[in-house]
Amino acid sequence: GAVVSQHPSWVICKSGTSVKIECRSLDFQATTMFWYRQFPKQSLMLMATSNEGSKATYEQGVEKDKFLINHASLTLSTLTVTSAHPEDSSFYICSASSEREGYYEQYFGPGTRLTVT
Amino acid sequence: GQNIDQPTEMTATEGAIVQINCTYQTSGFNGLFWYQQHAGEAPTFLSYNVLDGLEEKGRFSSFLSRSKGYSYLLLKELQMKDSASYLCAAMDSNYQLIWGAGTKLIIKP
Repeated sequence: GAVVSQHPSWVICKSGTSVKIECRSLDFQATTMFWYRQFPKQSLMLMATSNEGSKATYEQGVEKDKFLINHASLTLSTLTVTSAHPEDSSFYICSASSEREGYYEQYFGPGTRLTVT
Repeated sequence: GQNIDQPTEMTATEGAIVQINCTYQTSGFNGLFWYQQHAGEAPTFLSYNVLDGLEEKGRFSSFLSRSKGYSYLLLKELQMKDSASYLCAAMDSNYQLIWGAGTKLIIKP
């Protein structure tokens, strides 16, 4: 099956610093990658959609200057949380989309737990 | 607007059967997905339906009625490890997933 990895699995950073999270599709080329945020006991919230080589499309209410997304290749996307604050502490999950047998399935990475102190 | 509705929480007994319902309204439709998510983990894929009818996969089955905008996930022979949140997601005409809030399933011995 398709495998998506994320790095790091968890990170603790100080308020005001920046954190980069990597998302890689290991055995397939992802036409589209998605970044989600999930707060405790809540469902996934889509933050942005990115296609390789083009600018990410951000959901309403998500600050594009704060959450920088770079989709450098068909197998790598990065999310950088700039000037992190405690309210940015969350579970960040990426997914990669690929067409399979006529439909587009999303394969999820294991997630990155960010704690900002 | 686009909307997905599913119950917030359900409780069932080990060994029993439970049905989790989902209704959806989307701009266009390219299929209905069910995911399982254990606490602190990312979702894992369970099923995909794009045609009307029942798809069976082991202890889990998923049903779709496109005319009614309705799907359900059926779990048989419940095990304690099935305690998790179950997320319903519909894919719209832009191939984006519209997510439900998830149904927390509690299994009791």
